[in-house]
Parts: sequence; structure tokens; C-alpha cells
Amino acid sequence: GDSVTQMEGPVTLSEEAFLTINCTYTATGYPSLFWYVQYPGEGLQLLLKATKADDKGSNKGFEATYRKETTSFHLEKGSVQVSDSAVYFCALTGDDKIIFGKGTRLHILP
Amino acid sequence: DAGITQSPRYKITETGRQVTLMCHQTWSHSYMFWYRQDLGHGLRLIYYSAAADITDKGEVPDGYVVSRSKTENFPLTLESATRSQTSVYFCASSGGTSGVPRETQYFGPGTRLLVL
Repeated sequence: GDSVTQMEGPVTLSEEAFLTINCTYTATGYPSLFWYVQYPGEGLQLLLKATKADDKGSNKGFEATYRKETTSFHLEKGSVQVSDSAVYFCALTGDDKIIFGKGTRLHILP
Repeated sequence: DAGITQSPRYKITETGRQVTLMCHQTWSHSYMFWYRQDLGHGLRLIYYSAAADITDKGEVPDGYVVSRSKTENFPLTLESATRSQTSVYFCASSGGTSGVPRETQYFGPGTRLLVL
């Protein structure tokens, strides 16, 4: 069946380090792909999305490219900040399906 | 203010009691969703609704009941609460076109439920 796999956390980095959080998926058809972020005590909020192959989503310095050939949607940021500490969820949606990864907790040290 | 709200934010109940969690959105979004979030499981879909009077089961529907008589409201009822239903519950809405929930989901702040 369809699925989303994210790298397990927690991920701990120093401020200004480069970030990559891996996300791969299996799906039939042509899903849309999303990254959501959850700050402590809050609900999830959209970080970025891509709706077709080779699309790049970007927001707040984060980027992810929809790679159909590798079925991946890895999240990257060139220089992380302490305020980026949160849980990040990769997700896919398509016809009658909505699947979230288990989340990756990110800690940024000052 | 426009948005999506959940009530109550915190709830403690006892095994066997009926509990209803409320969700209200002001965008007139067609889709609404209920998720539970548990350590080690991430976010799991309980039920969703494509429009008023249309609901469908998600991944973990057992023990839950939903209704959607109005577009803006989507209550979730635990008919007889069990300890395994202790969790954080999130409601979300989406403006996807009928039959295709591809659009961004907007999440409420969550309800933290403890079943003793």
C-alpha cells in the first residue's frame, strides 16, 4: 500500500548548520507532497508543498523537490536557527488517501 | 477571527464515559478531518468528511463516531472511552475540490484527552 517514510529523529544540529530530513514515498498515481511543521503545543502548519514531479516547494529558507524517479521529497535548509526546533512531518495526498510520516524531531543548539 | 478551533483544549474523563470533541472552521472548507497523534505512531487519520452529510473512515475509526450536519462543524464522539484512546486529537480542514483532498490542510490547536 501507499506509505511515507521519514528519517527517525531526534536530529540535533548546531545553529547555522545545514539540514536535510529525508522523506521517501510509495504511491500509485500522482500524489501531492507536503512538509508540515509542528511547534511545541501547537497543531501542524504547512511549511511547503509540491503538486507534480520536479516542482520545488520553498518557504522560510526551507526547500524540497518532488523527485519522481527516486520517489523522494527531502527537506533542506542551508542554515538552521534555534527557532527551527520543531517536529517535521512529510505527507502525501492523492485520490482518497492522506498519509503522514511519523515525524522527525529537530533540535537546534545555540 | 477566521480559522479552525477545537474545544475543549484539555479533557480528563473516565473509562466508559461518552466524550465529544468539537471542531469548528470559518472558511467554508469542504473537507474536514480528525487525527490522533501518539508517540511512535505519528499522525493517524480517524475519520474525514468531504462535505456536509458525507463521512468516511480513516485508518483508525474503531470506537469513534462522527457527524457533519453543517459544513463548519465536525464533532468527534468517543461512545465509550477506553484508556487506549488517551491521545492528542487534531481537527483539520481543507478546501479541496470534491473527491480530491489534495489541498493544504489547516490544523486546529488540538485537544489533549486523558482517559483514566
